[in-house]
Amino acid sequence: KQEVTQIPAALSVPEGENLVLNCSFTDSAIYNLQWFRQDPGKGLTSLLLIQSSQREQTSGRLNASLDKSSGRSTLYIAASQPGDSATYLCAVEPVLTQGGSEKLVFGKGTKLTVNP
Amino acid sequence: GAVVSQHPSWVICKSGTSVKIECRSLDFQATTMFWYRQFPKQSLMLMATSNEGSKATYEQGVEKDKFLINHASLTLSTLTVTSAHPEDSSFYICSARAMGRFYGYTFGSGTRLTVV
Repeated sequence: KQEVTQIPAALSVPEGENLVLNCSFTDSAIYNLQWFRQDPGKGLTSLLLIQSSQREQTSGRLNASLDKSSGRSTLYIAASQPGDSATYLCAVEPVLTQGGSEKLVFGKGTKLTVNP
Repeated sequence: GAVVSQHPSWVICKSGTSVKIECRSLDFQATTMFWYRQFPKQSLMLMATSNEGSKATYEQGVEKDKFLINHASLTLSTLTVTSAHPEDSSFYICSARAMGRFYGYTFGSGTRLTVV
């Protein structure tokens, strides 16, 4: 059974700092990994999608890496801003097994607070 | 990009009544949509997979008769919480994907259901 773990559960940093969020998964048989952001009381906003054949993806100040063999991904946020404060969720899409169904498996998230 | 619209954003209902939540893919067709439930400070729990033109697939432990799912068209899935009780109060989020695994999942903005 695929399990996704995110460390740390919460992180508080001063504005301008560079930071790294960690995600690990137990089964390397995945199609892709996706990072999301969730603001309080809101839905999920997709940040980056990394296919299993890729090593990293970048979007603006965000960079996500994937090491499928070791079951790890990191989300790097450069020059953090108060507007980056949110919960960041990591999710993997496991390779379908016989009788299985398409789905995402989520970690519990990292709550990030960027202080002005 | 792919957009998923979810309505209502919040609803309060009396115990014993039913509530319908709509999930629409605005700029793409989705043969499959997903319904999640999220408890406070918890990650997302997949409830069911909604399949256009056929019965939904429910995750273990999710009551089919309590959470009715209808996916009548390629752009609309509905979740009806029947005979709602206070323990059904939660945040419900739907999701869909535009085309195959090359694209990531897009999520709706969520519905906060409060049963009084």
